[in-house]
Amino acid sequence: GQNIDQPTEMTATEGAIVQINCTYQTSGFNGLFWYQQHAGEAPTFLSYNVLDGLEEKGRFSSFLSRSKGYSYLLLKELQMKDSASYLCGTTGANNLFFGTGTRLTVIP
Amino acid sequence: GAGVSQSPRYKVAKRGQDVALRCDPISGHVSLFWYQQALGQGPEFLTYFQNEAQLDKSGLPSDRFFAERPEGSVSTLKIQRTQQEDSAVYLCASSLNRQSYEQYFGPGTRLTVT
Repeated sequence: GQNIDQPTEMTATEGAIVQINCTYQTSGFNGLFWYQQHAGEAPTFLSYNVLDGLEEKGRFSSFLSRSKGYSYLLLKELQMKDSASYLCGTTGANNLFFGTGTRLTVIP
Repeated sequence: GAGVSQSPRYKVAKRGQDVALRCDPISGHVSLFWYQQALGQGPEFLTYFQNEAQLDKSGLPSDRFFAERPEGSVSTLKIQRTQQEDSAVYLCASSLNRQSYEQYFGPGTRLTVT
């Protein structure tokens, strides 16, 4: 089975850096992804990690440690538009397994 | 180009009614997925199509749920005899190939069963 844990809510200040953690336990691991979902909208793809280490993509970076079953999403230079839910998950044979999401609120 | 579209965007059904939700994937995308998203939760997998073949329906919660993609493009998710617990957002996603982790989601259909 799949078990994915991430904090329910986080608050951070505009211009700051925030780290959203995710731990997972899976029966078979292919890779770990992050999606962003604004309220009432569709999820959109952010990143996918297969190997250990940090991958940077603009203001967003994602880290994976397979031995620890741990990932984080790092958001730099926070903007108000970054207020959204961030969904961590793992890939199965035919689908994506999502966590419950972390709702990030960016305050001025 | 056009993204994934879904219709209707909102649907209110009385308990016991049948509903049909439509998904138009991105043209040329082989794989199509249906997810159910309850309020405050992440999307949960329902079923998967590769072209017209339904390869995985392990996530369908009951035999009241049925999905089809007869010509390998448009898909319909049908829920028979709706129950209140079926109230959720139903998301459709498509991807270029089977192993793609990058899925393109539609805006969803918000179903409310009264």
